[in-house]
Amino acid sequence: AQKVTQAQTEISVVEKEDVTLDCVYETRDTTYYLFWYKQPPSGELVFLIRRNSFDEQNEISGRYSWNFQKSTSSFNFTITASQVVDSAVYFCALSEAPRESQFYFGTGTSLTVIP
Amino acid sequence: NAGVTQTPKFQVLKTGQSMTLQCAQDMNHEYMSWYRQDPGMGLRLIHYSVGAGITDQGEVPNGYNVSRSTTEDFPLRLLSAAPSQTSVYFCASSRDRDRSPLHFGNGTRLTVT
Repeated sequence: AQKVTQAQTEISVVEKEDVTLDCVYETRDTTYYLFWYKQPPSGELVFLIRRNSFDEQNEISGRYSWNFQKSTSSFNFTITASQVVDSAVYFCALSEAPRESQFYFGTGTSLTVIP
Repeated sequence: NAGVTQTPKFQVLKTGQSMTLQCAQDMNHEYMSWYRQDPGMGLRLIHYSVGAGITDQGEVPNGYNVSRSTTEDFPLRLLSAAPSQTSVYFCASSRDRDRSPLHFGNGTRLTVT
């Protein structure tokens, strides 16, 4: 079973629209970490944010915000006023610390922002 | 800051050939790992290491070998390349094995014909 599910394979939005990327995870651990990474067309993988399971406070960084809800096992990512530079594949990942030494990645959501 | 360095960037192999993908990090990270990225599959873990001399299998280890003789280096060996190993490979490191974010290399695009 997939530990991290990103049901949206591809999303297209027009520039300046808001867009939310969904991430649902599965774990029985009480201690775990969630991550988001961005992969622009150039191919590198860039870390965006980490959230631990004990901190459900939402986070905002500029146009980016993250909504962590343990009740629904979700860690969604919203881009406000999207820009062409936001076009990328976005990956959500789970680490089940400290029991496991692996990071589990979702299959990614490809976001295209149309100018 | 070099971070995680992977070589080569591109490689074409014939079926049955062997090769080593190199990965080095200069951040003194204990944890290193190899992933492959295939369309629609996300990133899948091949092998990982929690420190020098310690390696373990990930989700898709068959056909690959690793070793970790130093903290800095974590090479990935393809023993006998197969077309199914055509993929983009990423090496990653992190300060610890669970809570710190992964730092990725720029990837190696491998084609096996």
